[in-house]
Amino acid sequence: GAGVSQTPSNKVTEKGKYVELRCDPISGHTALYWYRQSLGQGPEFLIYFQGTGAADDSGLPNDRFFAVRPEGSVSTLKIQRTERGDSAVYLCASSLIRTAKNTEAFFGQGTRLTVV
Amino acid sequence: AQTVTQSQPEMSVQEAETVTLSCTYDTSESNYYLFWYKQPPSRQMILVIRQEAYKQQNATENRFSVNFQKAAKSFSLKISDSQLGDTAMYFCAFMKPPGAQKLVFGQGTRLTINP
Repeated sequence: GAGVSQTPSNKVTEKGKYVELRCDPISGHTALYWYRQSLGQGPEFLIYFQGTGAADDSGLPNDRFFAVRPEGSVSTLKIQRTERGDSAVYLCASSLIRTAKNTEAFFGQGTRLTVV
Repeated sequence: AQTVTQSQPEMSVQEAETVTLSCTYDTSESNYYLFWYKQPPSRQMILVIRQEAYKQQNATENRFSVNFQKAAKSFSLKISDSQLGDTAMYFCAFMKPPGAQKLVFGQGTRLTINP
């Protein structure tokens, strides 16, 4: 696609429910990143994929959070037993290669998750 | 761990004026990258400008330029001839090479350009 696409744009869920957030990166981009942006804060790194594998998941806050990228393209961020503190904007980004010197990460418009 | 601090939560200037946004960071690395991102209400993060720490020359992109002071660990963004479309949140970010673009962001500065 022309840009990074994230769906849904907004998601409201009840506390304790399971949610899936989808990211469709720019075609051909091998690197994919998830960030979480709480209200009034800068984005915080969650996980990075190179191809199909999670190369760095050090930002995932706990085992309720999980992400997959089975075919090296679309990625899904999964949150189990949602809590009100999970409410945030979840941003996805993709890039061609890992280094910053010759490329940049392109961000989607995010999914605003609200847990009530 | 690296940290990025933006000490100006909000700024406001008149159209066509020049504005400078401040950013400081803390790292023990000698080589790294610094970025300024713009986030309009659409939520999409847009890269404004980047600086490689080993380059002494300050980066410029049209109306946007940086003042990179490596010893002071300071990385400010100057916007010249500001336009209404520059109204947005601005985030300073740090990245340690050579690995993934695991960006460390500051808290952001809300910039408003008034007509």
